[in-house]
Amino acid sequence: QVQLQESGPGLVKPSETLSLTCTVSGGSISTYYWSWIRQPPGKGLEWIGLFFPSGSTSYNPSLKSRITISVDTSESQVSLKLTSVTAADTAVYYCARTSQWSFHSWGQGALVTVSS
Amino acid sequence: QSALTQPASVSGSPGQSITISCTGTSSDVGGYNYVSWYQQHPGKAPKLMIYEVSNRPSGVSNRFSGSKSGNTASLTISGLQAEDEADYYCSSYTSGSTRYVFGTGTKVTVL
Repeated sequence: QVQLQESGPGLVKPSETLSLTCTVSGGSISTYYWSWIRQPPGKGLEWIGLFFPSGSTSYNPSLKSRITISVDTSESQVSLKLTSVTAADTAVYYCARTSQWSFHSWGQGALVTVSS
Repeated sequence: QSALTQPASVSGSPGQSITISCTGTSSDVGGYNYVSWYQQHPGKAPKLMIYEVSNRPSGVSNRFSGSKSGNTASLTISGLQAEDEADYYCSSYTSGSTRYVFGTGTKVTVL
């Protein structure tokens, strides 16, 4: 049973870079697809991007210019970097194991607030 | 890419069946059998309930079932229980630029 745990700063200043890490346990990180998904407080879910086992990525066009998703297999970690953040980026950020076009396992989520 | 359309709320009494709809387009729901459903309790992460329109992951109750007709997918909860009270989201692969799109979400209330 794959388990995921997000971690990172809970507060980021406007215009700075949001950095989150998702630590994967109970499975091989290199054989799965990994997504990041976010949920603004009181709102719905938004897919951010996907990392393929091949090393390629696919990003939501609305965020593409600001996102980087990467995987460190030695640390079993999936990382998200989002640059030039604004208050609109305040959300709970989830990492999720992606398979069969669905998000099968989710982390508990990390709340990131963008504020000065 | 617009979100898939779900009713804001659905309610039912214990033991009843309810159905949540998820309407998209031929570029997402109607074009692929890649619709999934998620249950989210307050303050918790979403949980996969249905994938590929009608498949249940191991451990999910058979009271949950999924189907699709045209551009609309549906999640049916049979024998409604108090623990089913939660928010439910659909999702679909899309040939649009976004790749994945979520529904607007439905709050299920058990009366």
